[in-house]
Amino acid sequence: GEDVEQSLFLSVREGDSSVINCTYTDSSSTYLYWYKQEPGAGLQLLTYIFSNMDMKQDQRLTVLLNKKDKHLSLRIADTQTGDSAIYFCAESISGANNLFFGTGTRLTVIP
Amino acid sequence: GAVVSQHPSRVICKSGTSVKIECRSLDFQATTMFWYRQFPKQSLMLMATSNEGSKATYEQGVEKDKFLINHASLTLSTLTVTSAHPEDSSFYICSARGGSLYNEQFFGPGTRLTVL
Repeated sequence: GEDVEQSLFLSVREGDSSVINCTYTDSSSTYLYWYKQEPGAGLQLLTYIFSNMDMKQDQRLTVLLNKKDKHLSLRIADTQTGDSAIYFCAESISGANNLFFGTGTRLTVIP
Repeated sequence: GAVVSQHPSRVICKSGTSVKIECRSLDFQATTMFWYRQFPKQSLMLMATSNEGSKATYEQGVEKDKFLINHASLTLSTLTVTSAHPEDSSFYICSARGGSLYNEQFFGPGTRLTVL
């Protein structure tokens, strides 16, 4: 099956930029997503990128996609304490109904 | 954005009882709904996919007689955990897809089930 990998933990200081990375194995992806999960809550869709795009920026969030290397990243500029959460990347694959989720990266923002 | 609700948000029950969890899409019609299970500090595990008016498709290893899924309308899906046991304690999350171009799923806030 599809394999989506993320590093488990990331710590940054408030005001710095955070970069969360994700790698995947299936090259037939159509869309890639970033979700945020706060403690005890469901997942909130932050942003998504179509697989033929290289970059998408939305306010403090920048998504970079390197399709050749099957690498996706999420950059959060001016990270705030409210950004502390678990971030999941997810992949939509042509022909598959569901999303394939990464393992999640726990972002801790140090004041 | 699209809103998905779940009810209840938290439930504690005795071993052997059945628990029903509701998932509703509040402002869109969900052609497909998904049920996930999440163990502490782990990613989401897809349990089943349900399309309105048809039987759910269960992932390998998920007992369909234990986890009953009903998707009776375009805005409501239910998951019933039958004869619950302590090992069924988990965080259950539903999501809904409305058939947009972007294929994104909108997630409910989750239901924390604790079986004593």
